[in-house]
Amino acid sequence: GAVVSQHPSWVICKSGTSVKIECRSLDFQATTMFWYRQFPKQSLMLMATSNEGSKATYEQGVEKDKFLINHASLTLSTLTVTSAHPEDSSFYICSDERDLYFGPGTRLTVL
Amino acid sequence: DQQVKQNSPSLSVQEGRISILNCDYTNSMFDYFLWYKKYPAEGPTFLISISSIKDKNEDGRFTVFLNKSAKHLSLHIVPSQPGDSAVYFCAARFTGNQFYFGTGTSLTVIP
Repeated sequence: GAVVSQHPSWVICKSGTSVKIECRSLDFQATTMFWYRQFPKQSLMLMATSNEGSKATYEQGVEKDKFLINHASLTLSTLTVTSAHPEDSSFYICSDERDLYFGPGTRLTVL
Repeated sequence: DQQVKQNSPSLSVQEGRISILNCDYTNSMFDYFLWYKKYPAEGPTFLISISSIKDKNEDGRFTVFLNKSAKHLSLHIVPSQPGDSAVYFCAARFTGNQFYFGTGTSLTVIP
């Protein structure tokens, strides 16, 4: 069964709104979770590393004020896309620190 | 800079034959390699991995070969089945660091 879950699986929002995506580690207490983004026909790109109890670490080129990450517990990390724009439309995927297990992904479409 | 490359975006194979998916990398510090299978709008599913101290790892119909001198790895699927049709990503990392993913190869197994 799934060991990492994401919610929602698909979200459509208007430009300028904020969207929160949840990533849960179901069978493991994860001090670290990873957020990836995949554009069509492209590779998965690491956006940030979410650290429980401390600030997230962002990859170069990823705006930390736009992609807010909160890792409030050992089983939950959230990614909030603030003031979303159409160019933020993508497939967002998380994984816990075991790396072998990914969530099912969240398809974000910004109109 | 793409450190992991999959130069074939697509591959078609007859059912029952062997599928060979290739992956090249540039960073000789990578010490762990994985293959993932991905369906549209889903998260990647782990298939098989190999450590840099090995040159082959086998799991059922799936075998991964690593050629460190050529910085090349390949995934062999034999016999191929229609259910194997998906996008396959290779990924590489060096200890304690992020995964770097290839751009994927779309495999179609023709019944």
